[in-house]
Amino acid sequence: ILNVEQSPQSLHVQEGDSTNFTCSFPSSNFYALHWYRWETAKSPEALFVMTLNGDEKKKGRISATLNTKEGYSYLYIKGSQPEDSATYLCASSNDYKLSFGAGTTVTVRA
Amino acid sequence: KAGVTQTPRYLIKTRGQQVTLSCSPISGHRSVSWYQQTPGQGLQFLFEYFSETQRNKGNFPGRFSGRQFSNSRSEMNVSTLELGDSALYLCASSVVGLASTYEQYFGPGTRLTVT
Repeated sequence: ILNVEQSPQSLHVQEGDSTNFTCSFPSSNFYALHWYRWETAKSPEALFVMTLNGDEKKKGRISATLNTKEGYSYLYIKGSQPEDSATYLCASSNDYKLSFGAGTTVTVRA
Repeated sequence: KAGVTQTPRYLIKTRGQQVTLSCSPISGHRSVSWYQQTPGQGLQFLFEYFSETQRNKGNFPGRFSGRQFSNSRSEMNVSTLELGDSALYLCASSVVGLASTYEQYFGPGTRLTVT
């Protein structure tokens, strides 16, 4: 079982503030790093899939970076809005299996 | 384009019974992966099917099995149900699967309760 860790487990952000959180993953036989947003009562929604060291992807106010040499990825939310409240999951693809972290639950306070 | 669909959405079974869950992927997607989500263990990979072949399997007992049909629809079967099998089962489809940088699209899940 691969150890994908996310921190912090949860965080509260004031509307308009920016925030970021971490995903660490094993580098052995690494293929890709996935980020998902999972809102209550909905299905996980794919945000990014990254594979190359130094990759940086952006979707609106959300962006992510990838460091495959040290095995970590950051997800950034700029100018948080209430609709950003969700659990953000990262998953590492190693040996064609996907291992998920426990997620970071973000609550944006108006 | 229709999304990933899963049936049934909710299911209640008794310990010792077996259950079959169904997943219809997005049209054109050839890979279907299955996941189990429990409060204690989080989201765990069960297996992935691509072109009717199981490509990889997670660390689950042999009671968990699956198959994929020629139209890419997939079924997952759990035999001899245990109380610990109570979970949300999600499937996800992708163009070519986990050995790529294509995104996965998740279905709404099947909530299985074993009593």
